[in-house]
Amino acid sequence: NAGVMQNPRHLVRRRGQEARLRCSPMKGHSHVYWYRQLPEEGLKFMVYLQKENIIDESGMPKERFSAEFPKEGPSILRIQQVVRGDSAAYFCASSPLLGQGPGEQYFGPGTRLTVT
Amino acid sequence: AQTVTQSQPEMSVQEAETVTLSCTYDTSENNYYLFWYKQPPSRQMILVIRQEAYKQQNATENRFSVNFQKAAKSFSLKISDSQLGDTAMYFCAFMKHKGGSEKLVFGKGTKLTVNP
Repeated sequence: NAGVMQNPRHLVRRRGQEARLRCSPMKGHSHVYWYRQLPEEGLKFMVYLQKENIIDESGMPKERFSAEFPKEGPSILRIQQVVRGDSAAYFCASSPLLGQGPGEQYFGPGTRLTVT
Repeated sequence: AQTVTQSQPEMSVQEAETVTLSCTYDTSENNYYLFWYKQPPSRQMILVIRQEAYKQQNATENRFSVNFQKAAKSFSLKISDSQLGDTAMYFCAFMKHKGGSEKLVFGKGTKLTVNP
C-alpha cells in the first residue's frame, strides 16, 4: 500500500508565478490535510478537505491560496502570484474515514517551494 | 484556541542514554489526543507515539514512552537507550476529539542530537 504521495518534491517559482502542489492520499483515505512549515518552525494547519468538500480552511490565507480535492484525482493546493514569504515546505497528510475517534494522519514527504 | 509549547529548542544526549523532551499545551477541551512526531533530516514526518486524553495509562512504544499529566497539561516524551538514528526534530501535537479526524496543532519543535 503506497504511502501519501506529493509532487513535485521541489518547486522553484519566480515572484508572481503560480504554484500547484499535488497530493495523492493513501488508498482508501478520504480526508486530506495541508500544512505549511516555515524555516525553523513547526507545521501550521492550512486546510482540511474531504472529497469535493472543504471542511475547514481556517488556516488558509484569504488571498492567493486555494485548495481542492476532486472526486477523481489528487488534492491540489494552488498559490497564485507567489511572493518570497510563500517559500516553505508544504506537507499533505491523509487519514481514513472512521466512525469513532480521529483517524491517524499519515504524512507525505512534502513539497519544498522556493520563490526567487 | 489550542496552543502547544515546547520549551527546549535543542537538546543533546549520548548514545544509549535516556533523554526527556518537554511539551505543555493549553486547551479548554476535555477530550483530545496528543502526539509526538519525529522529523529526521529527510523531513518526512513520522508518528512516534499517541495518547488519548481519557486514558490514564501512559502510552509506550518500544524505547519511547510518555508522561501524560492531564491536570498540569503536560505531555513529555522519554527516549530510552538513545540511538544515533533518533537524531531529528521532535514535534508535540494536539488534536481535538470531535468524533472524526481533526487538524493537528504543533509545537515549534525540539532538535535532538544523539552523540556517539
